[in-house]
Amino acid sequence: DGGITQSPKYLFRKEGQNVTLSCEQNLNHDAMYWYRQDPGQGLRLIYYSQIVNDFQKGDIAEGYSVSREKKESFPLTVTSAQKNPTAFYLCASSTVNRGLSYNEQFFGPGTRLTVL
Amino acid sequence: GNSVTQMEGPVTLSEEAFLTINCTYTATGYPSLFWYVQYPGEGLQLLLKATKADDKGSNKGFEATYRKETTSFHLEKGSVQVSDSAVYFCARYGGATNKLIFGTGTLLAVQP
Repeated sequence: DGGITQSPKYLFRKEGQNVTLSCEQNLNHDAMYWYRQDPGQGLRLIYYSQIVNDFQKGDIAEGYSVSREKKESFPLTVTSAQKNPTAFYLCASSTVNRGLSYNEQFFGPGTRLTVL
Repeated sequence: GNSVTQMEGPVTLSEEAFLTINCTYTATGYPSLFWYVQYPGEGLQLLLKATKADDKGSNKGFEATYRKETTSFHLEKGSVQVSDSAVYFCARYGGATNKLIFGTGTLLAVQP
């Protein structure tokens, strides 16, 4: 089955530690995205990548880092510089077809990060 | 600015009641509009979309009409079920980077 997997589902981290969230897709999508979800604030874009070895900051990139060494993988590192990292993190992917007005984003099941 | 505003929840309904969740947007031009649904503990799924003015998106009994005059894309369903309980997000297309701009989400709780 094609889809997006995120691991782990729940993650606990001590304050001051970096942690990396995994996102893998086998949909052959060029673009991948990371969102953060907080209660009452909807989803906010952290980083996105439209092609391997390239990525751009989203609206709330501070305290986060990403890499895109392979098409199917887009890991997100939450660094100790992120002041309020406890949240639900969602990864998504899509095709990149510039002739369309929109390329549907497919979401993974999410990772809930809690900082202790 | 460019944003999406949707009604705050929670919305609590009895089974078979009529549902409306309001959504309005601000943007230059006429962006594609979407409703996503998030069931408990899961990621988001695209529920329906409309890519141009006056289009109606529909899926699983839900409908939304792209109304440029009122810059709205309200979600409706004639008869909700307990299984519709979820968080519903309105979103608009953000431009050439394929970004999505989301509303804050509306929690729907349907009681038997």
